[in-house]
Amino acid sequence: QQQVKQSPQSLIVQKGGISIINCAYENTAFDYFPWYQQFPGKGPALLIAIRPDVSEKKEGRFTISFNKSAKQFSLHIMDSQPGDSATYFCAAKRGETSGSRLTFGEGTQLTVNP
Amino acid sequence: EAQVTQNPRYLITVTGKKLTVTCSQNMNHEYMSWYRQDPGLGLRQIYYSMNVEVTDKGDVPEGYKVSRKEKRNFPLILESPSPNQTSLYFCASSLWEGTDTQYFGPGTRLTVL
Repeated sequence: QQQVKQSPQSLIVQKGGISIINCAYENTAFDYFPWYQQFPGKGPALLIAIRPDVSEKKEGRFTISFNKSAKQFSLHIMDSQPGDSATYFCAAKRGETSGSRLTFGEGTQLTVNP
Repeated sequence: EAQVTQNPRYLITVTGKKLTVTCSQNMNHEYMSWYRQDPGLGLRQIYYSMNVEVTDKGDVPEGYKVSRKEKRNFPLILESPSPNQTSLYFCASSLWEGTDTQYFGPGTRLTVL
């Protein structure tokens, strides 16, 4: 079963708009929540990550919001640009027992129109 | 340049013909892993290795084999490929098993006819 559920499957945003991608998880043992960005023909690359001891993390135009009680986290891309068009994956990891084993969401294909 | 390389990048084969996808990293990472990416399913882990000669099953290991004879190499072996193994495959590595950041290779698109 999918332990990390991601939505929407695809998203179209106008340049300058806000892109929001949501993820929900089931396993309360997860303690690390990264977002990966994947461009066509490339492997995923770490974009930003958060641990459950904070509710928000911001890096430039990218922000993760984390709601521990709801077991949800989301990626916000402010002032979205055509260069942000990519597939985004949320993921989760149980650090204490599974090492670097990541459980991924289904992915969201983001298109930013100029 | 620090990187994870995979070969081949594209492969079309027929059912039952054994194949190997190579993976190599030049970062002296201990942890390596193989994933498959399918539409609507995200990335699912096939096998992982925490160090030389130490490998273990991920979430979808059926039909695959791996070996880790050297630290830098982690080949994925399909002894008898089937059409349901048509997918996009990624190799990844990280410094050690407790490190958060994984570095992914460019991917291998496999088609099994």
